[in-house]
Amino acid sequence: QKEVEQDPGPLSVPEGAIVSLNCTYSNSAFQYFMWYRQYSRKGPELLMYTYSSGNKEDGRFTAQVDKSSKYISLFIRDSQPSDSATYLCAMSVDTGNQFYFGTGTSLTVIP
Amino acid sequence: NAGVTQTPKFQVLKTGQSMTLQCAQDMNHEYMSWYRQDPGMGLRLIHYSVGAGITDQGEVPNGYNVSRSTTEDFPLRLLSAAPSQTSVYFCASGRALNEQFFGPGTRLTVL
Repeated sequence: QKEVEQDPGPLSVPEGAIVSLNCTYSNSAFQYFMWYRQYSRKGPELLMYTYSSGNKEDGRFTAQVDKSSKYISLFIRDSQPSDSATYLCAMSVDTGNQFYFGTGTSLTVIP
Repeated sequence: NAGVTQTPKFQVLKTGQSMTLQCAQDMNHEYMSWYRQDPGMGLRLIHYSVGAGITDQGEVPNGYNVSRSTTEDFPLRLLSAAPSQTSVYFCASGRALNEQFFGPGTRLTVL
C-alpha cells in the first residue's frame, strides 16, 4: 500500500466552479500536510502548508485536514483557467523527515 | 534571487555513461534534496542534505551519489546510467525537509 493515495483524474471543470482535490494516507503519524501546484514542464510550487488538523485559507484556496479519517482536501473557489495544472499533495511526520507525495491530480479549467 | 537553479535542462546518455546533475540555491537554505518524478509514481526522494557535509539516503538512492561541500551546491551523480534512470529530476531547497522550493527540473533520457 502506498503511503499517500491521490486520484490522478483528469478533472475538467468550467471556469468559476468550485474544485475539490483529495488525498488519503495510511500513516497516522503524519502531521505536516502540503499542497503543491505543478504547471506542465515546470517544478512544483508550494501552495498550502498546514500542521495537524483543521482548515487553512489563502485567497481562493482552502486546505482541510481530517486526521481521524486520514483524508486531506484542497478546495479552489472561483476556479480560473490559470489554475489548470497538476496538484500534488505531500505529507511528513516531522520537519526533519522526508515527505511523501501523492501522484498528482491533473486539473483543467475550461474558459 | 535566482532561487533554485538546475543544469542541464535536458540530457541524453547512453547506458553505462556517468554524469553529474548540478543544483544551486542562493537562499541560504540548509535543507537540499533530489527527487525523481515518473508517470504514475509521483515524486520520490533520492538523497537529501541537512547542511554542508551531511547527506542521507531517501526512498530510491541506488545508482546515485551526492555530496554537499557548500551550502549553495548539491550535485547529483549518476555512476553508471541505466534506462531505468530515465526520468525528470528535481532539486529542492528549504528551511526544512517538508518546506521545499523546487528547481525547474532536468529531463534525462538513458538509451
